[in-house]
Parts: sequence; structure tokens; C-alpha cells
Amino acid sequence: EVQLVESGGGLVQPGGSLRLSCAASGFTFSSHWMHWVRQGPGKGLEWVSRIKSDGSSANHADSVKGRFTISRDNVKNTLYLQMNSLRAEDTAVYFCARSGYSSGWYYFDYWGQGTLVTVSS
Amino acid sequence: QSALTQPPSASGSPGQSVTISCTGTSSDVGGYNYVSWYQQHSGKAPKLMIYEVNKRPSGVPDRFSASKSGNTASLTVSGLQAEDEADYYCSSFAGTNNFVFGTGTKVTVL
Repeated sequence: EVQLVESGGGLVQPGGSLRLSCAASGFTFSSHWMHWVRQGPGKGLEWVSRIKSDGSSANHADSVKGRFTISRDNVKNTLYLQMNSLRAEDTAVYFCARSGYSSGWYYFDYWGQGTLVTVSS
Repeated sequence: QSALTQPPSASGSPGQSVTISCTGTSSDVGGYNYVSWYQQHSGKAPKLMIYEVNKRPSGVPDRFSASKSGNTASLTVSGLQAEDEADYYCSSFAGTNNFVFGTGTKVTVL
């Protein structure tokens, strides 16, 4: 059974940093592209970042570019999101999601339960 | 990248059908056959319902179907059931390594 379990969320002051983790199990982690998606309170889903299966390539949404960094450890089967220079508008539940593959890695087939990040003084 | 446009709400009685639209541009929905749909019950993680415009993952009932025409994709839920009451989001690959989600539609079963 595919499982994705996020951790590392919490309350942080504006300008602060936080690192989220997502522990994966039940599938060959090193074979799948992975993503972070966030959802602000009462808001819709927003794609944040994705990373290639071997970690050699990563992309970020313009809203977080230069502040957030996605990475992975294929030995520990864990996905990370390093978040720096946090702003109030980064307050959200952060989901990690696995990329499914059909004709490309363009959809999210399994999601974790999410971890809440609150940016406030 | 702007969010894809969905109606805020849709509703139907049990057994009826409801269709949700998802409108983007030629840079996302219209440019790629990489539209997917997600169901999210309150306080839960999203669940994949449709991928690559109209493909259903195993385990998703065939009451869920989808299509695309130009810059607009659509999800239809036929034979509405109480458990279909949820928020639904579309998503599309948007080129240059970006993805975009829709604004979300709350489906109510009357």
C-alpha cells in the first residue's frame, strides 16, 4: 500500500525557515517523480514544486522560486521541502504527492495527509 | 500562472448528473492532453479521479467521466450518490515545468 507521511510543519515567524519531510513507503520511491502541493486556509490547491526520480532536476512555482528548495533522499525514501524567507501567504497545508506515469509524469496519483505550516508573528 | 476557472458550486439530486467545467488557455488545458481531476472531501487529502483528460484509475467508479474541447475540460458525475459530495479540482500541465490547478467546485448532493 502506497503511503506518504508528511512532517515538520508548525508555527514560524515571518522571515523564518522550516524543512518539511515526506516519508514514502509501499512503492519504489526512486522510480517516481514527486511533488509538493499546498492549500491555504479555505483556499484551493496550488502546485509548489516537483523533483525528478533521481533528484537531478527540480522545478518550483514562481511564487516560491528562490525561497523554497525541493530535494529527496532515495536511500531514506524521503522527500523534503526547505522553506526559507517565509511569508504570511505561505501559510497552508502542504501535501506531498507522487507523480503517476502514463504518457508522462503529469498527474498526482497518491497524496499524503498534509502538514500545516503557519507563518505568523 | 493563473488558476484554471471552475464554477464555485454545482448540485444535483441523487441519481442525477452534474458536470463541472474547467477553463484555461492554450498554454495549459488547450495545449496539452494532461488534464487531471481530483476529489477532496472536507479535511482530507485529494484523490485522483481522472488523468490525461479522460482516463480513470482503477477503483474509480465509471460514473465519473471527463472530456476536453479546446481550452475547456469537463468532469461529469452520473448517478450522483451522497458520497460524491466533495470539492473537485482540475489540474493541467502548463508547460515550462509548471502545473496549475483549478479554483475548485463544491458539489452538493441535494
